Amino acid sequence: SQKIEQNSEALNIQEGKTATLTCNYTNYSPAYLQWYRQDPGRGPVFLLLIRENEKEKRKERLKVTFDTTLKQSLFHITASQPADSATYLCALDPMNTGFQKLVFGTGTRLLVSP
Amino acid sequence: DADVTQTPRNRITKTGKRIMLECSQTKGHDRMYWYRQDPGLGLQLIYYSFDVKDINKGEISDGYSVSRQAQAKFSLSLESAIPNQTALYFCATSPGGDRSNEQFFGPGTRLTVL
Repeated sequence: SQKIEQNSEALNIQEGKTATLTCNYTNYSPAYLQWYRQDPGRGPVFLLLIRENEKEKRKERLKVTFDTTLKQSLFHITASQPADSATYLCALDPMNTGFQKLVFGTGTRLLVSP
Repeated sequence: DADVTQTPRNRITKTGKRIMLECSQTKGHDRMYWYRQDPGLGLQLIYYSFDVKDINKGEISDGYSVSRQAQAKFSLSLESAIPNQTALYFCATSPGGDRSNEQFFGPGTRLTVL
């Protein structure tokens, strides 16, 4: 069956450390992955896109990697801050229709302590 | 002003009632989506529309219907609400063209069916 898996347990780290979140998928062949941030009671907000031919993408303190062999994307936040505390969702497009239809993971909650 | 708005933000209703959730956008996007989010589950696609004349069912469309009144408006209806439709509902939009474009989410509607 097709699955997207993100660690359901919250990730607790100290301010200043690097947070690494994992997104694994099964039985998909996505051409790209997207990462979103979601704060409690609010809609997700887009952060980064990485394509299958890109190994790594960076934006300020954020870095995303995409390994199509391992079927995995890693999302890193360097020099983390308490304001980075949120749930982070990965999403992929199964590419089985003519148009975009994203499938979302359940998200990983990140807690950054001062 | 918010680009994607949803009304109402919160709604409590009773089993069997008809409910309409409304979504409006000022982004000029052709594509609009309705998702529901339940604790521990990822965003699940209910319906999507790629233009005013094109409406498609998502993974969990049973018990829901939609109307795309204009490019800017996409409404979700629950004809006869039931308790397991209690959830957080999000509307999203994305521009046409590149299928990897990000989605822009509204603030959500928290619906409780008693």
